[in-house]
Amino acid sequence: KAGVTQTPRYLIKTRGQQVTLSCSPISGHRSVSWYQQTPGQGLQFLFEYFSETQRNKGNFPGRFSGRQFSNSRSEMNVSTLELGDSALYLCASSSQTSVGTDTQYFGPGTRLTVL
Amino acid sequence: AQSVTQLGSHVSVSEGALVLLRCNYSSSVPPYLFWYVQYPNQGLQLLLKYTSAATLVKGINDFEAEFKKSETSFHLTKPSAHMSDAAEYFCAVSDRGQFYFGTGTSLTVIP
Repeated sequence: KAGVTQTPRYLIKTRGQQVTLSCSPISGHRSVSWYQQTPGQGLQFLFEYFSETQRNKGNFPGRFSGRQFSNSRSEMNVSTLELGDSALYLCASSSQTSVGTDTQYFGPGTRLTVL
Repeated sequence: AQSVTQLGSHVSVSEGALVLLRCNYSSSVPPYLFWYVQYPNQGLQLLLKYTSAATLVKGINDFEAEFKKSETSFHLTKPSAHMSDAAEYFCAVSDRGQFYFGTGTSLTVIP
C-alpha cells in the first residue's frame, strides 16, 4: 500500500495570506489527523476527521480549519497567516477499526515558511 | 487529558552502547502507548506500540520497550546503538482515538 502523502512538501507565504495543505491517507483509512510541529512547542494536535466529520479538535484559533472529502482525502487551511505559523505540518491516518488501538501513520509533512 | 513526559530532551550515547530513552505517562486507565522516530525533514515512523498484549514490546531495528504500570513508564531501549539511530524519538499515548505526544528526545550517537 502507498503511504500517506502530503502536498506540497514546501511552501513559502507572506503574512496575511492564506494557505491550503493537502493530505491523502493510506487506502482504506478513514481517520485523518493534523499536527503542527515547531521546535519550541513540539507536536501539537490540530484536529481529526473521520468519515468527513471533525471528531476531535485541538486548541488552535479559528484561522486553522480543515475538511475531509468522501474519499478520505483531507485539506487544512490557514487564513491570515502569521509569522508564528511557520512550522512542519504533519498529517497522519489510521483505520480506526478499534478506537484507541489503531496506529497513526504519518506523511512526510509540509514545511510552511511565513515571511 | 492525557500527558506524556519524556525525560531528557537530548541524549548522547557511544556507538555500540545501550540506548535508554525515558517516557512516563499519566493515565488512570490502561493506555495504548507508542514510540515513533523522526529523521530530519521526514514524518514520524512507528517503532513499536503497546496494546496490553505483553508488557515487553519488540519493535523494528532491535528497539524494545517495557510497560510498567506501577511506574507509569514506557521506556525505550536498544542494546547497541548504531550511527543510523541518530534521530528524534517521540513517545505517545492514545486516549479514545486522540494522540498525545511527548516533547521528544534527540538521540546523538558518538562514533
